[in-house]
Amino acid sequence: DAKTTQPPSMDCAEGRAANLPCNHSTISGNEYVYWYRQIHSQGPQYIIHGLKNNETNEMASLIITEDRKSSTLILPHATLRDTAVYYCIVVAGGNEKLTFGTGTRLTIIP
Amino acid sequence: DAGVIQSPRHEVTEMGQEVTLRCKPISGHNSLFWYRQTMMRGLELLIYFNNNVPIDDSGMPEDRFSAKMPNASFSTLKIQPSEPRDSAVYFCASSFRYEQYFGPGTRLTVT
Repeated sequence: DAKTTQPPSMDCAEGRAANLPCNHSTISGNEYVYWYRQIHSQGPQYIIHGLKNNETNEMASLIITEDRKSSTLILPHATLRDTAVYYCIVVAGGNEKLTFGTGTRLTIIP
Repeated sequence: DAGVIQSPRHEVTEMGQEVTLRCKPISGHNSLFWYRQTMMRGLELLIYFNNNVPIDDSGMPEDRFSAKMPNASFSTLKIQPSEPRDSAVYFCASSFRYEQYFGPGTRLTVT
């Protein structure tokens, strides 16, 4: 699976949109981009995933660049409960194994 | 659904003792995963099962670790004998398709 690069930490003001970048320049055509987050002392939580089209669900939006070499997770109106470590993971289609990196520690500031 | 259930939530044991961690996946899910999380190594996949069959155990650190899934609703991760370096949070997760649901974890401390 392709390697991902994320900033180690970010801050965002409460109520604003949080934009978390992820670089995956070696991604292959059959690899998906997944996002999970881990709130302190809890198990990771699935957020969203996509292949090449932008995706949106009740939690977030995922914007994947046309060349698929990077993506951005958007939390449209961040709340204090969104403070967590966010993991961007690239996984080949049909592969169930997730390889977690170090992620981005997002802190929402009141 | 109650989600993925893990027991115990906390375990403190002495070096050399056997430790058994338990997991009940979400009903209807056909894949089950065991992860370990430490500050030094982050979150690592140890082993995963599909339809109760172990598919990939390449992450199991050594022969002291073993995992079983005797039926679709129960799995165990056993460490025998335990060592201080096994201290970590152990997560179990289950999935049906693409989304893995994680349990609350078992915090293991080996003294």
